[in-house]
Amino acid sequence: AQTVTQSQPEMSVQEAETVTLSCTYDTSESDYYLFWYKQPPSRQMILVIRQEAYKQQNATENRFSVNFQKAAKSFSLKISDSQLGDAAMYFCAYGTPLVFGKGTRLSVIA
Amino acid sequence: DTEVTQTPKHLVMGMTNKKSLKCEQHMGHRAMYWYKQKAKKPPELMFVYSYEKLSINESVPSRFSPECPNSSLLNLHLHALQPEDSALYLCASSRNRDRGSRSYNSPLHFGNGTRLTVT
Repeated sequence: AQTVTQSQPEMSVQEAETVTLSCTYDTSESDYYLFWYKQPPSRQMILVIRQEAYKQQNATENRFSVNFQKAAKSFSLKISDSQLGDAAMYFCAYGTPLVFGKGTRLSVIA
Repeated sequence: DTEVTQTPKHLVMGMTNKKSLKCEQHMGHRAMYWYKQKAKKPPELMFVYSYEKLSINESVPSRFSPECPNSSLLNLHLHALQPEDSALYLCASSRNRDRGSRSYNSPLHFGNGTRLTVT
């Protein structure tokens, strides 16, 4: 069975600082995608970034980047220069259809 | 603006009512999904449609009845619900679910959800 684990229920970061959210997963597949989604109070699930497992290079989208360690089955999200608008629930997700981790609530302190 | 539109945004219904949730996308996606999300929990998959055919039913009670009239529309018909069915219902779409296709793992695009309260 595919499982996704987020071990940090809540995190906080000062505005303009950097924060890293952790995610581990379990799979027997060799080729797959991993995703980070953001869910602000507006409720919509927004795709933040995705990583293809066969690519060695870590994905980057502006201030968001991942540290993908395939052997360790680890997929952490780094948010640089944090902004107030980054405050949200962040879900790590794997597979098709998606299986989500329990989420990490990120607070940004002004 | 979201590319997946869900209506209504809020719905309150009694346990004897019949209501429907609607979802629409015009991105040409051929896979559509219903997820249920309880407060402070991750979304849980309910149904998956691929090319207008039901491909996954995650053992959802029959009081939830999905329907995919065409490639752009997805409905969820509700009947005789229980208070514990109160939740946020999210619709999503993706390019397709063809194994071997580069689009198989394409990301899901979500709507804003319908907040359902069963009284």
